[in-house]
Amino acid sequence: NAGVTQTPKFRVLKTGQSMTLLCAQDMNHEYMYWYRQDPGMGLRLIHYSVGEGTTAKGEVPDGYNVSRLKKQNFLLGLESAAPSQTSVYFCASSSGTGGWETQYFGPGTRLLVL
Amino acid sequence: AQTVTQSQPEMSVQEAETVTLSCTYDTSESNYYLFWYKQPPSRQMILVIRQEAYKQQNATENRFSVNFQKAAKSFSLKISDSQLGDTAMYFCASQLKTGANNLFFGTGTRLTVIP
Repeated sequence: NAGVTQTPKFRVLKTGQSMTLLCAQDMNHEYMYWYRQDPGMGLRLIHYSVGEGTTAKGEVPDGYNVSRLKKQNFLLGLESAAPSQTSVYFCASSSGTGGWETQYFGPGTRLLVL
Repeated sequence: AQTVTQSQPEMSVQEAETVTLSCTYDTSESNYYLFWYKQPPSRQMILVIRQEAYKQQNATENRFSVNFQKAAKSFSLKISDSQLGDTAMYFCASQLKTGANNLFFGTGTRLTVIP
């Protein structure tokens, strides 16, 4: 049981390049989230999904797209990277069954956009 | 919307002593959860303790306990018998019981345990 995994762990991009971050969970969770963490700030929600085939915008969605084609995977895409997207990205998942909704986090992906 | 405020950017404590980290939040909802997460240098987010807003009793987990004051919208974390492994960033977070169930985080408190 690996929990939540993220690929890659670290990436350097040039401005204008594109990339996809992959999040995978093996807990059969319905809900999945992408957060970003910037220095001096807490994590902020980018996009989320409440089930396979569904996605929704969070607090800071501009410049990102997401897809949830399979229940266990949640992809975060950057079509044209900008230096402002330099950040640490965290994926999280939760059961979505109500009651305690503890979120389980992946180890993070550090992205540097030059 | 929910906002979470942590007014102590950095704190330090002597090993084996007790330290309290402060957190206040603002919400118009009546049903929500509150959490403290620990983020060590590895960056992994680790759940420390959680509290349901409708429960009066303060949550405890071994050396960690909270002081939940619902009327004041305050949720502080007390760490007893501090250990070197407690050195980390600590984030307070709130979560609504409905909707996306996403977490709203404070800006964090960097805690250093001094040997």
